[in-house]
Amino acid sequence: AQSVTQLDSHVSVSEGTPVLLRCNYSSSYSPSLFWYVQHPNKGLQLLLKYTSAATLVKGINGFEAEFKKSETSFHLTKPSAHMSDAAEYFCVVSETGGSYIPTFGRGTSLIVHP
Amino acid sequence: DGGITQSPKYLFRKEGQNVTLSCEQNLNHDAMYWYRQDPGQGLRLIYYSQIVNDFQKGDIAEGYSVSREKKESFPLTVTSAQKNPTAFYLCASSMGPRDSPLHFGNGTRLTVT
Repeated sequence: AQSVTQLDSHVSVSEGTPVLLRCNYSSSYSPSLFWYVQHPNKGLQLLLKYTSAATLVKGINGFEAEFKKSETSFHLTKPSAHMSDAAEYFCVVSETGGSYIPTFGRGTSLIVHP
Repeated sequence: DGGITQSPKYLFRKEGQNVTLSCEQNLNHDAMYWYRQDPGQGLRLIYYSQIVNDFQKGDIAEGYSVSREKKESFPLTVTSAQKNPTAFYLCASSMGPRDSPLHFGNGTRLTVT
C-alpha cells in the first residue's frame, strides 16, 4: 500500500528567502514520486518527478527535491522564494507492483510575503 | 497544442438534477482520471480508466458515473445520489506507467443548490 503525508498544511515565507515543503511517503515497492503546483482555480502542473535515477531532482521554476530512502522523504526546496510561487503544492506517490494509481497528499499552501 | 479540455468552467445545478462534466484530451493518453477537490482534503479519486471501454471505481465513486467510449473522452456524470456534489472537479490523463506524470485540465467548479 502507498501513502503520502505532507507535514505542513501552510508554509509562510518572505520573498527572497528559502522554501522548504516537507513530504514523507510510504510504499511497499519502489516508488515514483512527484510534486505538482496548483494556482487558484486552475489545474495542477508538474514541477518535478523522481523515478529511481538521480536522488536529487531538479524541476521547473528553480525548485528541486531530494529523495531520501532511509528517511522516506521527498522534500521540495527552492533557494529564493518569488511572489509568483504562492500556490498550493501537492506531493504524489505511485508505486511499481501496485495499480500505479497515484496517491496525493493533502497539499501545502505556500504563502509568500513581500 | 496538446492538452486536456474541461468544460464548462463553472456549472450551477439544482439539487436532484444529474449533471455531466466534459473532459477531452488530444495527448493520445491511454489513462484518464477524475478527481474531486475540496478545501484541505487534497485530491480524491472518483473513477479512472486505463483503456477504452473499461473503467474502475476510485475511493469516492458513490453517486458518480463515467463512460469511456472514445480514447480522447471521459465524461463524468454527477447524479442526484451524490450527497454533497458541490466541489471542484479535475480531469487528468497519463500515458499509463507508474513514472508517467499526470496532465490536468483546468477544472470545473460545480455548485448545487
